[in-house]
Amino acid sequence: QSALTQPPSASGSPGQSVTISCTGTSSDVGGYNYVSWYQQHPDKAPKLMIYDVIKRPSGVPDRFSGSKSGNTASLTVSGLQAEDEADYYCSSYAGSDSWVFGGGTKLTVL
Amino acid sequence: EVQLVQSGAEVKKPGESLKISCKGFGYSFTSYWIGWVRQMPGKGLEWMGIVYPGDSDTRNSPSFQGQVTTSADKSISTAYLQWSSLKASDTAMYYCARVHRRSYCFDYWGQGTLVTVSS
Repeated sequence: QSALTQPPSASGSPGQSVTISCTGTSSDVGGYNYVSWYQQHPDKAPKLMIYDVIKRPSGVPDRFSGSKSGNTASLTVSGLQAEDEADYYCSSYAGSDSWVFGGGTKLTVL
Repeated sequence: EVQLVQSGAEVKKPGESLKISCKGFGYSFTSYWIGWVRQMPGKGLEWMGIVYPGDSDTRNSPSFQGQVTTSADKSISTAYLQWSSLKASDTAMYYCARVHRRSYCFDYWGQGTLVTVSS
């Protein structure tokens, strides 16, 4: 299994929107609607932000949204806020009780 | 409140063995798979494997097969990750996380255990 492909960095000014992509294959992202996204602040554990491609856990602001087209999933953060600055990782179920993560994207709020 | 509490940081020498733990609170520990995730210094997340505390069934990533062992003791709601012979390249933060039953995601995470292997 190869890691999912994410851009190393993304940025936006407060109030703007930014979208982070996550590209896999038909064996993971394209094959299942089980893409999830995690936010990780420095020296903290990851936090689930999006699951089942588009769903938000309770407590996650609706500024965070997910989507998928073919083998590429996306996370959009709207109305950027300073506290959104963090690393973001996508993950996909890859069948046979296995998972794969993306390499991570560092989001900078300018 | 669901919580996963991991054991403390470890400093070990190459060749030594190690077992780190992850204790669950606030839910039926035997009903959810627990996953283990590695994060090497300055790097991304890597899925290592999962264990089902209900019957100790395990699944391992091919990348970690034979390198680590996952297990669980349901009587004390604790999952484990162990090494028989550590290498310097095992230096990393290790997280446990609960696997969501229907959505194949990791919905609750432990705080992480930092393992440092150095001579």
